Amino acid sequence: NAGVTQTPKFQVLKTGQSMTLQCAQDMNHEYMSWYRQDPGMGLRLIHYSVGAGITDQGEVPNGYNVSRSTTEDFPLRLLSAAPSQTSVYFCASSYSVGGAQGFWGDEETQYFGPGTRLLVL
Amino acid sequence: KNQVEQSPQSLIILEGKNCTLQCNYTVSPFSNLRWYKQDTGRGPVSLTIMTFSENTKSNGRYTATLDADTKQSSLHITASQLSDSASYICVVSAYVDSSYKLIFGSGTRLLVRP
Repeated sequence: NAGVTQTPKFQVLKTGQSMTLQCAQDMNHEYMSWYRQDPGMGLRLIHYSVGAGITDQGEVPNGYNVSRSTTEDFPLRLLSAAPSQTSVYFCASSYSVGGAQGFWGDEETQYFGPGTRLLVL
Repeated sequence: KNQVEQSPQSLIILEGKNCTLQCNYTVSPFSNLRWYKQDTGRGPVSLTIMTFSENTKSNGRYTATLDADTKQSSLHITASQLSDSASYICVVSAYVDSSYKLIFGSGTRLLVRP
């Protein structure tokens, strides 16, 4: 198993450009999510999906779009990049979530990808 | 406000020494608490998951403790190794704003020197 993979590892964008961060998992996990990690702050949830065709907003969704057409893939799209989106982005997955409310069960482990470091100039 | 605060922000210890990292949370109601290890340039990796009824849980040289009454957790690392150099993140699961969420601390950066 490759686990959770993310591409690219690094990316530099100019303000206003768009791009897609790719995320894939081969563990047949239902739940996938995107986080951003900024210095001095905890990971913040951008968007999440509880299964193919179902997505929802997290804590900081503005400026980002997601879709989930397959169980394996969960791409994150930046529509018009801004310097405030400079960050490290992590994709994560877990086997299941107890319903659409996202109950984090006591045995529910998240698996994180290696991250994408994004710089917006 | 639901928060997870970790201390210290950073810590330097010598190889072979023990250390303890702290996590205080104000999240309520509380479901479970997790500790993650994040190596530089990598994603977080789960170390332990503790429910409110558990006081102690070990994973090799890592031992997590939880006091649900005082809303405090600690991660104790025994006989530290150079490979323990990483950030350690405390995460609390709670029912907030009509849904279950994971609330992440900002982490403690540990450096183990030879």
